Amino acid sequence: DTEVTQTPKHLVMGMTNKKSLKCEQHMGHRAMYWYKQKAKKPPELMFVYSYEKLSINESVPSRFSPECPNSSLLNLHLHALQPEDSALYLCASSQVAMAVTATPLHFGNGTRLTVT
Amino acid sequence: DQQVKQNSPSLSVQEGRISILNCDYTNSMFDYFLWYKKYPAEGPTFLISISSIKDKNEDGRFTVFLNKSAKHLSLHIVPSQPGDSAVYFCAASTDRGSTLGRLYFGRGTQLTVWP
Repeated sequence: DTEVTQTPKHLVMGMTNKKSLKCEQHMGHRAMYWYKQKAKKPPELMFVYSYEKLSINESVPSRFSPECPNSSLLNLHLHALQPEDSALYLCASSQVAMAVTATPLHFGNGTRLTVT
Repeated sequence: DQQVKQNSPSLSVQEGRISILNCDYTNSMFDYFLWYKKYPAEGPTFLISISSIKDKNEDGRFTVFLNKSAKHLSLHIVPSQPGDSAVYFCAASTDRGSTLGRLYFGRGTQLTVWP
C-alpha cells in the first residue's frame, strides 16, 4: 500500500467542468509535488510545494490551480480543461525539497483523468 | 532537451539471470540519482538511489553503479524474478541553481522477466 493517498482514482470530466484532485500523506513530509504522466512517457513535474509554499511552477496553464491547505494535504483544482490534458496525475511527497539530503519521492497511485 | 536518457525502451531477460538497465545523463551538476519501478495503474515506487560521492550502492538483489566520468549509471538486478517485470525509470536531481526539488526522469525501460 502506498503511503501517499490520491482521490479519486479515476475521473471523467467535460471541458466546462470544475473538479479537484486530492492528495494526502501522513509521513511528516514537508515537500509535496504534482506530476503529470502521459502514456509511455516519463512523469513531468508540474508544481512543487515546500513547507506549504509554492516553490516551483513549471509554467503550467492557469486551468490547473494547486493548493496546499496544510502540510499533509495537496489539492489540484481543474477548470476548463482540454482533451489533451487527459493523463495520469501523480502526487508525491518527500521529507524536504532538497536533492542530496532528501529522502526519495514517494508517489501515490495517481488519478487517471479523462477530459471529454 | 532530455537530460536523462534511457536508450533502451525494453529489455527481456530469463528468470534467474542478471538484468542490466542503463541510464545516461548530460548535466554534470546532478548530485543524486534514483531508480523507480512502475507497475501498470500504479505510481512509481522508489527502488534504490546513489549519491554522486559514491560509485556503488547495493540493496539486496539490486545494485546501482555510477560512473561520473562517463555520466552513466546502471541498475543490476540479480537474480531476476518474474515479479520484477515493470517499467524502470532512472531519475536525477541537483541542489544547485534554481532546480531545487526538481527530478529529471528518463523515458523508462520496460523490463520483462520470463520463466
